[in-house]
Amino acid sequence: DAGVIQSPRHEVTEMGQEVTLRCKPISGHNSLFWYRQTMMRGLELLIYFNNNVPIDDSGMPEDRFSAKMPNASFSTLKIQPSEPRDSAVYFCASSPSHGLGNTIYFGEGSWLTVV
Amino acid sequence: AQSVTQLDSHVSVSEGTPVLLRCNYSSSYSPSLFWYVQHPNKGLQLLLKYTSAATLVKGINGFEAEFKKSETSFHLTKPSAHMSDAAEYFCVVSLYSSASKIIFGSGTRLSIRP
Repeated sequence: DAGVIQSPRHEVTEMGQEVTLRCKPISGHNSLFWYRQTMMRGLELLIYFNNNVPIDDSGMPEDRFSAKMPNASFSTLKIQPSEPRDSAVYFCASSPSHGLGNTIYFGEGSWLTVV
Repeated sequence: AQSVTQLDSHVSVSEGTPVLLRCNYSSSYSPSLFWYVQHPNKGLQLLLKYTSAATLVKGINGFEAEFKKSETSFHLTKPSAHMSDAAEYFCVVSLYSSASKIIFGSGTRLSIRP
């Protein structure tokens, strides 16, 4: 199994630019998550999808952030315009379902630096 | 409300000595509990999980954890630390079926002294 695949692994961009992070979940998994990790705030859930439908986006910081899941094998997290405070590691994760006790499988992360 | 507290932000042990990473949770119901490990510049990897079966759970790399309902604890242990165990460890509690109710602890950084 290839695991959760994220791209790009590293991105450095200038403030004001659009950033698009991509994720391919594990085949057959129904739930997909986007997390953000920083030293100050730790690991935060931004949004999660179940069967391609956004279920909870209460963690999305503001309107500059948007996430889509057009099909079961692909999701994007977009930041427009980006700001230095968006610098963080963004993890995509997937799970067989959103049921109790199901393991969440994480990708390797996308390391974003906004200068 | 449910919550999870990792009691130590940093633990340092010598190679070959036991490891204890502490985790306490708060929940009105029986939760599912997990330990994840994050090596530098890597994603989070599942070490082990408890889902109301045996209270002593064995995971990968020699780690295990015991669910103690009376103490609301789920401490992670390993009899003998190895240099490769140096990483960040996260205790996670999941109560409801909703993924938004999965709570991550703040993490414990484990350092191993030669």
